[in-house]
Amino acid sequence: EAGVAQSPRYKIIEKRQSVAFWCNPISGHATLYWYQQILGQGPKLLIQFQNNGVVDDSQLPKDRFSAERLKGVDSTLKIQPAKLEDSAVYLCASSLGLFGELFFGEGSRLTVL
Amino acid sequence: QQQVKQSPQSLIVQKGGISIINCAYENTAFDYFPWYQQFPGKGPALLIAIRPDVSEKKEGRFTISFNKSAKQFSLHIMDSQPGDSATYFCAASFNYGGSQGNLIFGKGTKLSVKP
Repeated sequence: EAGVAQSPRYKIIEKRQSVAFWCNPISGHATLYWYQQILGQGPKLLIQFQNNGVVDDSQLPKDRFSAERLKGVDSTLKIQPAKLEDSAVYLCASSLGLFGELFFGEGSRLTVL
Repeated sequence: QQQVKQSPQSLIVQKGGISIINCAYENTAFDYFPWYQQFPGKGPALLIAIRPDVSEKKEGRFTISFNKSAKQFSLHIMDSQPGDSATYFCAASFNYGGSQGNLIFGKGTKLSVKP
């Protein structure tokens, strides 16, 4: 069974630029999550989707971050404009349902200069 | 209220020894307590999880001990092996909006098992 796919694996941008990350969950997984993991810390939930609807985006900095899951499968996380403190690994995870085990991708490492 | 405090920050254990990592929480509404293992360059992977209706859960060399009254839980790795060297995260969540996906993670413990 293929795991959660994420791209790009690495991205370096200047502050105030924009960046987008893509996630393809495990086939059949209805629930998709984006987590932010800053170096030396545990992951923090940014947004959770159930199919193509948002379940929880209370910790998403909506002035600069946006995410969508238009067809209930793939998802894109966008940051515009980026700040230095956005440097982190952005992890996508998926689960069969709202109470299922989370499976994480390998993450997309963002460096903002 | 939403924090999960994890200790120690790093741990060095000899091969064959016992590794113990501790976590504490404040929010009594938490009802799901997983432990994740993360290798460098990889995403976290679920190791073992417990719910507060039991005090201990064992899977192979990994055991979670849960103390509801003290609001603490711990991971014990028996017969630690060099391949166990990784960062371990405790986490907690509750049935928020009908989902347990909003995991609150600790800051992690970097475990090194020396041969």
